[in-house]
Amino acid sequence: SQKIEQNSEALNIQEGKTATLTCNYTNYSPAYLQWYRQDPGRGPVFLLLIRENEKEKRKERLKVTFDTTLKQSLFHITASQPADSATYLCAPLRNSGGYQKVTFGIGTKLQVIP
Amino acid sequence: DAGVIQSPRHEVTEMGQEVTLRCKPISGHNSLFWYRQTMMRGLELLIYFNNNVPIDDSGMPEDRFSAKMPNASFSTLKIQPSEPRDSAVYFCASSFRIEQYFGPGTRLTVT
Repeated sequence: SQKIEQNSEALNIQEGKTATLTCNYTNYSPAYLQWYRQDPGRGPVFLLLIRENEKEKRKERLKVTFDTTLKQSLFHITASQPADSATYLCAPLRNSGGYQKVTFGIGTKLQVIP
Repeated sequence: DAGVIQSPRHEVTEMGQEVTLRCKPISGHNSLFWYRQTMMRGLELLIYFNNNVPIDDSGMPEDRFSAKMPNASFSTLKIQPSEPRDSAVYFCASSFRIEQYFGPGTRLTVT
C-alpha cells in the first residue's frame, strides 16, 4: 500500500539557519507533490507544488526538490524566522480513477528558536 | 472572497446523536473535499466531489457517514449515529486546479 513518511519528531533550529524537512514515499509514483503549512487551530495552507519532471522549485525563501528515483522530496526554508514555526505537510498526488488523488503525510513540526 | 466557510466551528454532542457539518466552498471552485484530522492518523480524505458529483468516497469510514453536495455552493457531512471515536477535526477544502484551499475546520467532540 502507498505510504508517506515525514520526520515524525519535531525539528528545532536556530533563527537564521536553513530548515530541511524530508518526505519519503513508497509503493507509488506521484505525478505531483505539494507542501502545505498548518498552524495550530487552522486548516492547512498551500505553499508549493512540484511536478515529477521538475527537480527543484523555489518561492522566496522556500525551495522544494523532487527525486523520483529516491522517492523523496526535500523542503527547505532558508534564513528561517520564528514566524516559520508551524507543521509542514507533504502531499503527493497520484492518478486514481482519472483524477489526481492527494494523500497527506502526518507532518513535521518545525520550531524556529530566536 | 471569504475563503472556505465551515460551520459550526465547534460541536459537542453525545454518543448516538446526529451531527451535521456544513461547508461553503470558494466561488468558482469545482472540486470539494472533506477530510478528518486526528493526532494518530493525520489528515485523511473522506470524500471528493467534482462538479457536485461524488467521485471518490473510499475514505468514508462506514455507513454512519454520509455527504451531500446539492449545489456548487454548499455541502454537508452527516454522522448518524455519532460515536466517541468520531471525535476529530473535520476540514472542508475546495479547489479549481490542484492546490486546495482549506476551511478553518469543525472540532467535533462526541462524549
